[in-house]
Amino acid sequence: AQSVSQHNHHVILSEAASLELGCNYSYGGTVNLFWYVQYPGQHLQLLLKYFSGDPLVKGIKGFEAEFIKSKFSFNLRKPSVQWSDTAEYFCAVITTGGFKTIFGAGTRLFVKA
Amino acid sequence: NAGVTQTPKFQVLKTGQSMTLQCAQDMNHNSMYWYRQDPGMGLRLIYYSASEGTTDKGEVPNGYNVSRLNKREFSLRLESAAPSQTSVYFCASREGGTYTWETQYFGPGTRLLVL
Repeated sequence: AQSVSQHNHHVILSEAASLELGCNYSYGGTVNLFWYVQYPGQHLQLLLKYFSGDPLVKGIKGFEAEFIKSKFSFNLRKPSVQWSDTAEYFCAVITTGGFKTIFGAGTRLFVKA
Repeated sequence: NAGVTQTPKFQVLKTGQSMTLQCAQDMNHNSMYWYRQDPGMGLRLIYYSASEGTTDKGEVPNGYNVSRLNKREFSLRLESAAPSQTSVYFCASREGGTYTWETQYFGPGTRLLVL
């Protein structure tokens, strides 16, 4: 069965620190990959996604993610976090032609001002 | 556009009671989904509807039923609520066309407490 693993459940950083959240998936075929974010009290919303082409994907608010096919990974990065990045981040995968998106358990990020 | 709307926002049930969670989208999307979100477990798919007239089980369908009433609406029913169904429930939709890289759009969630 497909699965998505997020390695860090809770991350605490100070403002201006760099961020990297790990995400690995288990599926041998072609996939589309997503990072969604849930800010406190808000809906889940898309941060960025990969479907083809350049494996380095840029999203909103300065976030980026790199798809490394050989490692089945799609790690999320930001060079300098802000207090407003405090949120829960979810990695997700859907197989090409599929209808079911599989989500990881989520990573709660707290950024200290 | 309101996007994806859910009712109610909060609900408290006693064990054994039934209720229906309502979801509607105004984006003319074909595919709709119901997830539950539990601490440390992320979002788990309960049921989905790839298109109007079809529904399929997700990862955790036991204790739930769904109805795709029309293209806009997708309801989730708990026939006999159990404390294990205490959770936050999210409805989502996506265009459901050829391309699986379509973004999912989520509703605000329903917080359910089963006593």
